[in-house]
Amino acid sequence: DAGVIQSPRHEVTEMGQEVTLRCKPISGHDYLFWYRQTMMRGLELLIYFNNNVPIDDSGMPEDRFSAKMPNASFSTLKIQPSEPRDSAVYFCASSSPGQGFPYEQYFGPGTRLTVT
Amino acid sequence: GQQLNQSPQSMFIQEGEDVSMNCTSSSIFNTWLWYKQDPGEGPVLLIALYKAGELTSNGRLTAQFGITRKDSFLNISASIPSDVGIYFCAGPVYYNTDKLIFGTGTRLQVFP
Repeated sequence: DAGVIQSPRHEVTEMGQEVTLRCKPISGHDYLFWYRQTMMRGLELLIYFNNNVPIDDSGMPEDRFSAKMPNASFSTLKIQPSEPRDSAVYFCASSSPGQGFPYEQYFGPGTRLTVT
Repeated sequence: GQQLNQSPQSMFIQEGEDVSMNCTSSSIFNTWLWYKQDPGEGPVLLIALYKAGELTSNGRLTAQFGITRKDSFLNISASIPSDVGIYFCAGPVYYNTDKLIFGTGTRLQVFP
């Protein structure tokens, strides 16, 4: 089975532009997580979904960030407008607690975002 | 809040050496996970531990769930160049076990 798929792998954009990051979780996984990784703050959870429903978005930095999961196989993280401080690597991860491994999350390759 | 501290922060070793790193917390965890992140990639799950005292191996990797439930250890035997990367420990947040908290990471560099 394919792992978590993210696109694009790299994104360079100018300040003020809208950025959309995409994620396809592992088939059958019912939890999806969006993380941000920076040198200063490490890996931070932004938001997560269970069965396509957002459960906890307390990690979303501000209203410029939004995430959706329209179906079980697709999620987006949008930043509008983008700012230089949003530059980071964004990861998507999925898990399936119902399969007996409650905490094991599987990560995608990440999207490296650079906002100039 | 909960924090996971990893030590050492970085290690520079020669190929063939054994490696030990640990992860500690001021609060109790009921699960410990160890991930490895290669440069430019996402973290990959190496080992999961679910019982205090549990010792689990995955090839040259061995991880232990500390008896106090406040720490975990990862050992790598006979290191090779592809062991290079950042190793993270992680555990579920006590108030919402859907969420994981990640440690600060141990960066491993292996010289031939």
